Amino acid sequence: DIQMTQSPSSLSASVGDRVTITCQASHDISTYLNWYQQKPGKAPKLLIYDASNLETGVPSRFSGSGSGTDFSFTISSLQPEDIATYYCQQYDNVFGGGTKVEIK
Amino acid sequence: EVQLVESGGGSIQPGGSLRLSCAAAGFSVSDNYMTWVRQAPGKGLEWVSIIQRDGDIYFADSVKGRFSISRDDSKNTVYLQMNSLRAEDTAVYYCARERDGYTLDHWGRGTLVTVSS
Repeated sequence: DIQMTQSPSSLSASVGDRVTITCQASHDISTYLNWYQQKPGKAPKLLIYDASNLETGVPSRFSGSGSGTDFSFTISSLQPEDIATYYCQQYDNVFGGGTKVEIK
Repeated sequence: EVQLVESGGGSIQPGGSLRLSCAAAGFSVSDNYMTWVRQAPGKGLEWVSIIQRDGDIYFADSVKGRFSISRDDSKNTVYLQMNSLRAEDTAVYYCARERDGYTLDHWGRGTLVTVSS
């Protein structure tokens, strides 16, 4: 089974900061990696698919990159509405442990 | 507009059974892969089961042999039958549509299942 290691598990940043989350796969998964946002009490929402493609309607401050085993997700300028937990997911339906993003 | 609405959750004693429903609108469940994902209180996301377009079904090891998945195309609804429930099955259960083999592009709001004596 392919394991996903997501880090950090939580972070605190100021509005306007650049925020980066990483996900590492235990085996090569090409670009078969998605990123989801989950706000408190809500269902997850797809933000990025296939490592770097922005889902329709998602703000351009969100981006993803990587291939193989190392991936990153970036919020270029953190906004108050971005407070959420972010999860990566690989093609075998395994999710990373999540990163809780808070405002400093 | 694509919409998924789960129902059927509730409180149940260990060993009991529940059937969750996921009613879809805006697309046909028969033309898509449909997935159940759960989230235990304060924990991360865990994939549970999938029913593919051709009817093939798969389960997480943690629920294999206890859960089953089915769909009723006439009602455009997917079901998750949960038997022999355990305390560790306590979670919010989400229904999601899968595209491109693994991408969950639409999710329901979830239904809470609590297994406790």
